[in-house]
Amino acid sequence: DAGVIQSPRHEVTEMGQEVTLRCKPISGHDYLFWYRQTMMRGLELLIYFNNNVPIDDSGMPEDRFSAKMPNASFSTLKIQPSEPRDSAVYFCASSPILAGSTDTQYFGPGTRLTVL
Amino acid sequence: DQQVKQNSPSLSVQEGRISILNCDYTNSMFDYFLWYKKYPAEGPTFLISISSIKDKNEDGRFTVFLNKSAKHLSLHIVPSQPGDSAVYFCAASTSGSARQLTFGSGTQLTVLP
Repeated sequence: DAGVIQSPRHEVTEMGQEVTLRCKPISGHDYLFWYRQTMMRGLELLIYFNNNVPIDDSGMPEDRFSAKMPNASFSTLKIQPSEPRDSAVYFCASSPILAGSTDTQYFGPGTRLTVL
Repeated sequence: DQQVKQNSPSLSVQEGRISILNCDYTNSMFDYFLWYKKYPAEGPTFLISISSIKDKNEDGRFTVFLNKSAKHLSLHIVPSQPGDSAVYFCAASTSGSARQLTFGSGTQLTVLP
């Protein structure tokens, strides 16, 4: 399996522009997670989906952030308009059905976003 | 308010010695704990986990200890190898599974040859 795939790996944009980050989870995984890593706040959960349905978006910082999962093999995280404080590494992770003590999440390589 | 804390941002050990990474938590509802390892320019990768019904879990060179009364867990790596040099994150969940993880800030481990 290719693992979780994220694109682009690096994104540099200017303040006010729309940014779309993409994620392809591992085939057969029921859960998909979006995280943001910053120096100040560490690794924080933004939103997660179960079977393509958003379950908890309480970590999404503002209305400028939105996430969709139109099908089991694709998800997007969109920032519109982007601001310099959105600069961070964004990770996508997926997991098979989560039911107990052998669970884990499988992370993609991340997208490093720089907003100038 | 950090619910999961890794108070040591960095740790250096000699190859062959034991590495001990520590993690403290404040939420008594956490019932499942994980350790992840992260190399530069890669995503975190799962290392080992422990349920709150246990106080120890071992996998090869890696052992995780959980002290619920102290709200403390630790990761022991014996013997340490240069390839273990990475950032280690502890994470916790209240759901008994790997859903909705709260991560610590990470500890950079450097194993010196």
